Amino acid sequence: GAVVSQHPSRVICKSGTSVKIECRSLDFQATTMFWYRQFPKQSLMLMATSNEGSKATYEQGVEKDKFLINHASLTLSTLTVTSAHPEDSSFYICSARNGEETQYFGPGTRLLVL
Amino acid sequence: QKEVEQNSGPLSVPEGAIASLNCTYSDRGSQSFFWYRQYSGKSPELIMFIYSNGDKEDGRFTAQLNKASQYVSLLIRDSQPSDSATYLCAVNSGGSNYKLTFGKGTLLTVNP
Repeated sequence: GAVVSQHPSRVICKSGTSVKIECRSLDFQATTMFWYRQFPKQSLMLMATSNEGSKATYEQGVEKDKFLINHASLTLSTLTVTSAHPEDSSFYICSARNGEETQYFGPGTRLLVL
Repeated sequence: QKEVEQNSGPLSVPEGAIASLNCTYSDRGSQSFFWYRQYSGKSPELIMFIYSNGDKEDGRFTAQLNKASQYVSLLIRDSQPSDSATYLCAVNSGGSNYKLTFGKGTLLTVNP
C-alpha cells in the first residue's frame, strides 16, 4: 500500500519551454501532496504543499507563477515548470500523505533544461 | 527557523556491525519523527517513524527518541552492503498539513 507514481521519470527540454510533471497516489486518496526539489548532493527542499481543490501554499523563495501546481483530485497533483531555464534542472520529487502524518514519496522526475 | 541537524558523514561500518545514525532538532514542540533511506539517484523511502520517547524496533532497525534532549537516532543491526545509502531524518513541523523538515542526511557505507 501507499504507492505514489510520477510521470515522466526523466525529461529533457529546451530553455523557454514548459514542462508538466504528474504525481499520482495509486492506492490511497492523498489528503495532501508535497513537491520537493533536490539538487545534486543536497537535501530535499520543499517547494509547495497542495490540498485537493485548494490553491497551493508555496515556500518562501519559490515563485508560484513559475512553478504552477494543480491538485485537481485526491489522487492527482501536477507541477508545471513554466519557461524552464537551465538553472531549473533538478530532481523533482512529490510525496503524498494519506490522512496520517507519514509522507510517501514518488520515484522522482529528473529534469534537464538545455 | 526550525532546523534538523545530521552528521553528513560518510559513516563507514563493516558488514555485520551496528550502524548508529543521529539527528537533533530545534523545535521542542515537534511531535513526530521519521527516518527515510535514499539510494543515490533515487527518491526517499520510509524506513520507520516514531512518536513516543524510547525505542521502537522494526526488524534490523531501531529508532530511538529522546524529546528532552531533542534527539532521534536510528540503529541498524547486522548492517549489510545493501544498507549503503543516505539516511534522512525528518521532523513534523506541525500545522494541519504535517509538513516535514528534513536534515541533510548521513551517508552510510557498509563495507563487505
